[in-house]
Amino acid sequence: QVQLQESGPGLVKPSQTLSLTCTVSGGSISSGGYYWSWIRQHPGKGLEWIGYIYYSGSTYYNPSLKSRVTISVDTSKNQFSLKLSSVTAADTAVYYCARERPAVVDYWGQGTLVTVSS
Amino acid sequence: QSALTQPASVSGSPGQSITISCTGTSSDVGGYNYVSWYQQHPGKAPKLMIYEVSNRPSGVPDRFSGSKSGNTASLTISGLQAEDEADYYCSSYTSSPSVVFGGGTKLTVL
Repeated sequence: QVQLQESGPGLVKPSQTLSLTCTVSGGSISSGGYYWSWIRQHPGKGLEWIGYIYYSGSTYYNPSLKSRVTISVDTSKNQFSLKLSSVTAADTAVYYCARERPAVVDYWGQGTLVTVSS
Repeated sequence: QSALTQPASVSGSPGQSITISCTGTSSDVGGYNYVSWYQQHPGKAPKLMIYEVSNRPSGVPDRFSGSKSGNTASLTISGLQAEDEADYYCSSYTSSPSVVFGGGTKLTVL
């Protein structure tokens, strides 16, 4: 049973960089066949796909966030990470990490709320 | 990229059937058979209910079914039960390439 757990600061100041890490257990990122994703949900709103990474390092991003997003992977730690730069209050959301075949997310983390505020 | 279009809310009585639509374009829903549906209860992570238009993951009741015609995908829930009350989201692969979600539909079981 694959499990994913997000970790990182719950509070980020405006203009700074949001950084989150997802630790995967019960399966290896290096085994291939899946992409490792970040998805967010603004409070009381719908889901927004941020992007995903393959174990090889290939990345695909939401065009509307592409200029501010970096997703990276550390296969030795079975982790992948999200960096979102120049954050504003509009980036306040619950951030989920997940396992995905394109457009098929079969395992989700529990989600972590990140608030952007001074 | 623009979110896929879903009705904000639908409702039905126990035992009835409801259908939720998800409208996109030829660059997403219409162009690929990679449409998924997710169920989300309050405070919980979404759960995959349908993938690749009409396939059910193991453990999802066969009351849930999916279909697609042109640029519109649909989720049908038959024999509505109280526990089906939740938010439902569609998603699709896109030509960018990326993934896009729908705005979500709140299902109320009357």
